[in-house]
Amino acid sequence: AQTVTQSQPEMSVQEAETVTLSCTYDTSESDYYLFWYKQPPSRQMILVIRQEAYKQQNATENRFSVNFQKAAKSFSLKISDSQLGDAAMYFCAYRSDGDKIIFGKGTRLHILP
Amino acid sequence: DADVTQTPRNRITKTGKRIMLECSQTKGHDRMYWYRQDPGLGLRLIYYSFDVKDINKGEISDGYSVSRQAQAKFSLSLESAIPNQTALYFCATSDHFRDATRKGQFFGPGTRLTVL
Repeated sequence: AQTVTQSQPEMSVQEAETVTLSCTYDTSESDYYLFWYKQPPSRQMILVIRQEAYKQQNATENRFSVNFQKAAKSFSLKISDSQLGDAAMYFCAYRSDGDKIIFGKGTRLHILP
Repeated sequence: DADVTQTPRNRITKTGKRIMLECSQTKGHDRMYWYRQDPGLGLRLIYYSFDVKDINKGEISDGYSVSRQAQAKFSLSLESAIPNQTALYFCATSDHFRDATRKGQFFGPGTRLTVL
């Protein structure tokens, strides 16, 4: 069975600095998809960025980028120029052909002014 | 207007009561999901439905049942609520596989359920 591990329950970063959130996963499949979701205090789950496993190029969305290492089964999220609005719980998620998404336990990110 | 709505947004109930959480979507998606979120455990899948006639158990289906009344509606029931079902419940939707991989799943705002 697939698993998703986020080893950092909480992290803090100074405003305007860069922070990297870690995620590792375990799977025997070769074709799958990875996501980072953000959950602010409003509780809404917001898709931040996605990565297809067959693509070697790392995905980027404005200040958000990933470092996808398929062989190492690692999928970290980098947030550049951190802003107060980035404070949230971040979930790494894995999706295979079965269309079910498996979530990590989350990393709570604090932004220090 | 929100694409995925959940009612109620908050609910407090007593042990043994029957509770129904409702989810409606205007996205036209065929696939719908119910998740439960507990502190420190992330989101766990309860049930999912790929269309009106296709209902599947997820990781933690015991104590729950679902009904897909229409493509746009997917309800979650707790027949006899117990305190360890206190959690935040999310409904989500997605389109067929390729769209979903590009866009992920779309989540409702969540229902906070407390069972006393």
